[in-house]
Parts: sequence; C-alpha cells; structure tokens
Amino acid sequence: DADVTQTPRNRITKTGKRIMLECSQTKGHDRMYWYRQDPGLGLRLIYYSFDVKDINKGEISDGYSVSRQAQAKFSLSLESAIPNQTALYFCATVDSSATDTQYFGPGTRLTVL
Amino acid sequence: GQNIDQPTEMTATEGAIVQINCTYQTSGFNGLFWYQQHAGEAPTFLSYNVLDGLEEKGRFSSFLSRSKGYSYLLLKELQMKDSASYLCAVRPSGAGSYQLTFGKGTKLSVIP
Repeated sequence: DADVTQTPRNRITKTGKRIMLECSQTKGHDRMYWYRQDPGLGLRLIYYSFDVKDINKGEISDGYSVSRQAQAKFSLSLESAIPNQTALYFCATVDSSATDTQYFGPGTRLTVL
Repeated sequence: GQNIDQPTEMTATEGAIVQINCTYQTSGFNGLFWYQQHAGEAPTFLSYNVLDGLEEKGRFSSFLSRSKGYSYLLLKELQMKDSASYLCAVRPSGAGSYQLTFGKGTKLSVIP
C-alpha cells in the first residue's frame, strides 16, 4: 500500500462550489504539506502543518483552508472554487529525523469550470 | 527570498550523459534537493546535498558548490525511462527552513 494517499485523484467541479481534498499517510511523519503545481510555475506551497495544533500559511494560501484532523490526516479545502484554482495538487510528508526529505502523494487533478 | 533557475527543457540521446544545472540565490542556505517527476505523477526524491562536492548514487550524481550558488544533476547511461522533469529545490536556513523553494523544473527528453 502507498505510504501517502490522496483522494480524490481527479475532480471536476464548477465555480463557487466547496471542494475538499484529503491526504492520509502511514509513514508516521509529523509534518505535512499541501502544494499546487501549474505548468511553467513549478510547485508552490499552500499550507503546512507540524502537528494537529500547528498550521502555517505558505506562499499562496489565499482562497484555501486546511484541517489537520490527526497526525495521519491533512485536508485542503477550497471554500468557493474559481477557475484559476485548476491545478495539480500534491500532499507531502516530511521525515524530520533525517534530511527533511519530502515524500509526495500521487496528486489530485482538480478542474474548476 | 529565494530565486532558483533551471533550464526549461533538454534533449539527450539514449546511452549518453546529461548534466542539468541549477543556480540559486538565497538569503540563507541549508541544503539542496533534486527530485524526479514523470508526467502526471508525484515527484520522487533523488538526492540531497548540503556540503560542497559530488554525491554519487548509481547512474545519478549530484554536485553542489555553496560559494557559487550552483548545483548540477548528472545522469549517466541514459535510458528512455529517464524522460521526466527534474526539480531542484532549496532548503533555506533559519525560520524558513521548513519551506522548500522549488525551481520550475527541467523537462528532459531522451531520444533513441
């Protein structure tokens, strides 16, 4: 089984809808991250979390919110989706005991019409 | 802040050697990562350099010069499956050390 899973893998929605993307991990890592990836722009950090009570904004947090329900679960919400939030979204966990290597989930392809 | 530059695209021949460069300007530096990403898939970890010099791992090697703000990824004996994007990411020092800054990636195409 994959160590970092994301659901759904693909989602098409309409402008104004609320969307939640979920991430689960079995790696036992404390830190979890949400990124979006757009062609030509690379990976950009949305939010990250050290634990259930510690949430931090990244470079592009506007229009997004997150919830860390447990050490193993970190969800990303778009309260009112807009077309320019169409992107590939990745969750990642970090092994803080070593080199801070990030381990990515398989991604969620979100399309906002 | 951080600024990372990589070539956008490269093409190389199967069996050859290719070097992908990455230059960075940062307010603080605490390591550099290379990730491989096949189209539509997740990035996967290749290497991490924090000290100057060359790190070799099978067909892949990564080099770092901190004084020059420069790194490269060297791929030897290229295979078709090496066609992918290669992402350079810098880990800053200090308060921002938990946030990697990624370059835009270099798309490598391996041709027969």
